Amino acid sequence: EIVLTQSPATLSLSPGERATLSCRASQSVGSYLAWYQQKPGQAPRLLIYDASNRATGIPARFSGSGSGTDFTLTISSLEPEDFAVYYCQQRSNWPPGYTFGQGTKLEIK
Amino acid sequence: QVQLVESGGGVVQPGRSLRLSCAASGFTFSGYALHWVRQAPGKGLEWVAVISYDGSNKYYADSVKGRFTISRDNSKNTLYLQMNSLRGEDTAVYYCAREYDDFPDVWGKGTTVTVSS
Repeated sequence: EIVLTQSPATLSLSPGERATLSCRASQSVGSYLAWYQQKPGQAPRLLIYDASNRATGIPARFSGSGSGTDFTLTISSLEPEDFAVYYCQQRSNWPPGYTFGQGTKLEIK
Repeated sequence: QVQLVESGGGVVQPGRSLRLSCAASGFTFSGYALHWVRQAPGKGLEWVAVISYDGSNKYYADSVKGRFTISRDNSKNTLYLQMNSLRGEDTAVYYCAREYDDFPDVWGKGTTVTVSS
């Protein structure tokens, strides 16, 4: 099973700052990686799919990069509504699975 | 609009069974793979299972393999999760989600399952 490790566990920043979140896979997942945002009491929201493609309606300040085992989600200038928990997810064809990372909490400094 | 609504959650004793449903609307249900994802209280997301658009392929997380069964009825636009031999660690909010471009893109609001005696 492919394991995803997200870092840091918690990131404390101020509005307007740049956020960089990391996701590392235990083996190559190619570009089959997605990023989600989740706020308390809400379902996850897809931000980025296939490593670097923004989902429908996602602001341009969110960007994804990477391939293979190392991936990054960047939020260029934090808005108040961006403070939430972020998860990465991989898709593997063999064995078939879609595991999540443990999450990064982005909190207001 | 595209919508997924889960139902069927509740309190159940360990070892018992429960069936969750997910009613879809606003899109061509039979054209999409569908997922179940869960989240234990205060914990992260855990992928549970996926079913292909026609129901011919199903895959499960190791933690539920042999106990849970994912299925769908394309005539009723409904996804199901049959959960047997429930354990305390199955306590979670269960989300259904549609897959588009390789990943779940639309999610329901979730239904809560509590396994407790």
